[in-house]
Amino acid sequence: GDSVTQMEGPVTLSEEAFLTINCTYTATGYPSLFWYVQYPGEGLQLLLKATKADDKGSNKGFEATYRKETTSFHLEKGSVQVSDSAVYFCALVSGTYKYIFGTGTRLKVLA
Amino acid sequence: SAVISQKPSRDICQRGTSLTIQCQVDSQVTMMFWYRQQPGQSLTLIATANQGSEATYESGFVIDKFPISRPNLTFSTLTVSNMSPEDSSIYLCSVPHEGQGRINEQFFGPGTRLTVL
Repeated sequence: GDSVTQMEGPVTLSEEAFLTINCTYTATGYPSLFWYVQYPGEGLQLLLKATKADDKGSNKGFEATYRKETTSFHLEKGSVQVSDSAVYFCALVSGTYKYIFGTGTRLKVLA
Repeated sequence: SAVISQKPSRDICQRGTSLTIQCQVDSQVTMMFWYRQQPGQSLTLIATANQGSEATYESGFVIDKFPISRPNLTFSTLTVSNMSPEDSSIYLCSVPHEGQGRINEQFFGPGTRLTVL
């Protein structure tokens, strides 16, 4: 079945450091890929998405590129801020509304 | 965007009891989803709640354990029945974005953190 694998956390970085959170997937067909973020005490929010191969999703300085050849959708940000501290979830949906989520990666950014 | 609220935000319950979680959306939506997020785990879809019909449950989840109501297009409840400590999780509801070309996006509620002793 479809699945999403993302790197385990927690990831601890200093402010202005470069961030990469790895995400790979297995799926039949052509899934849409998402990154959701969950700030402390809040619900999940869509961060960015890509719906087909080579699409790049971007938002708030975060980027991720849909790589079909490597079945990956890694999240990157060039310079993280303390306010980026949250849990990040990679997810896919293929053909239906049903989401398959990764286990989440907790990011802690230190001032 | 849809704004979703859930009640309660958290609760601590005794084993063997039941808890009903409410999910309210600020707009009418066709489908609502209920997820479970166990400690340190990913989100798992429990069921899809459609107004006017019975909920559709995912593999591993049954109606007797997680009865769902969907009385109208803005509201749903999930009951966790006969609870055990293994039911300790965050329960979230979500709704799909109904804008054109965005149907696969979802809005999530803040979650209900349940602890069963």
